[in-house]
Amino acid sequence: AQKITQTQPGMFVQEKEAVTLDCTYDTSDPSYGLFWYKQPSSGEMIFLIYQGSYDQQNATEGRYSLNFQKARKSANLVISASQLGDSAMYFCAMREGRNQGGKLIFGQGTELSVKP
Amino acid sequence: GAVVSQHPSWVICKSGTSVKIECRSLDFQATTMFWYRQFPKQSLMLMATSNEGSKATYEQGVEKDKFLINHASLTLSTLTVTSAHPEDSSFYICSARGYRGPEQFFGPGTRLTVL
Repeated sequence: AQKITQTQPGMFVQEKEAVTLDCTYDTSDPSYGLFWYKQPSSGEMIFLIYQGSYDQQNATEGRYSLNFQKARKSANLVISASQLGDSAMYFCAMREGRNQGGKLIFGQGTELSVKP
Repeated sequence: GAVVSQHPSWVICKSGTSVKIECRSLDFQATTMFWYRQFPKQSLMLMATSNEGSKATYEQGVEKDKFLINHASLTLSTLTVTSAHPEDSSFYICSARGYRGPEQFFGPGTRLTVL
């Protein structure tokens, strides 16, 4: 079963507008972490934001915020005031529990294109 | 943030040769390093997890004898693709995790092309 699901293969957004990238996850482990990474065409993976399963508040990092809805098992990334440089692939990832060796499981990714 | 380097950034080799890719954590000690493989327009697929001084743990379906991983120190892990074939052509990315914080820091990746 897919543990991390990103249902939007591609998204378009107008420059300066906000965009939400969807991510749902599946785990029975009460302790887990959720990550978002950005991958531009150069290939490097850039860490954006992290949300722990026990965190009470939604994570925010500058223009990035994570809309964490635990009961729905969703961890959507919100990018405010989109910039042309935001055009890239975005991956949601999950790390389960303390006994899983810390490995990340990635979703399929969403390709975001920011229009001028 | 922490810096992870990979070398080489790209390599072209003939079928049947072996290729070694290095992954280094430059400013922190990496308790665990991970190796991923990525095909064009696809997600990252975890190949193996390595801890310093111990044998790597490979994901199901990954050939241990083909993808040799060595984690000789807290700052260096290597992936050797043995007897490479064209189907091994891919983007290989390593990541490292330190003692503190939840983040995994990724290297810039190595693009392998096997002719």
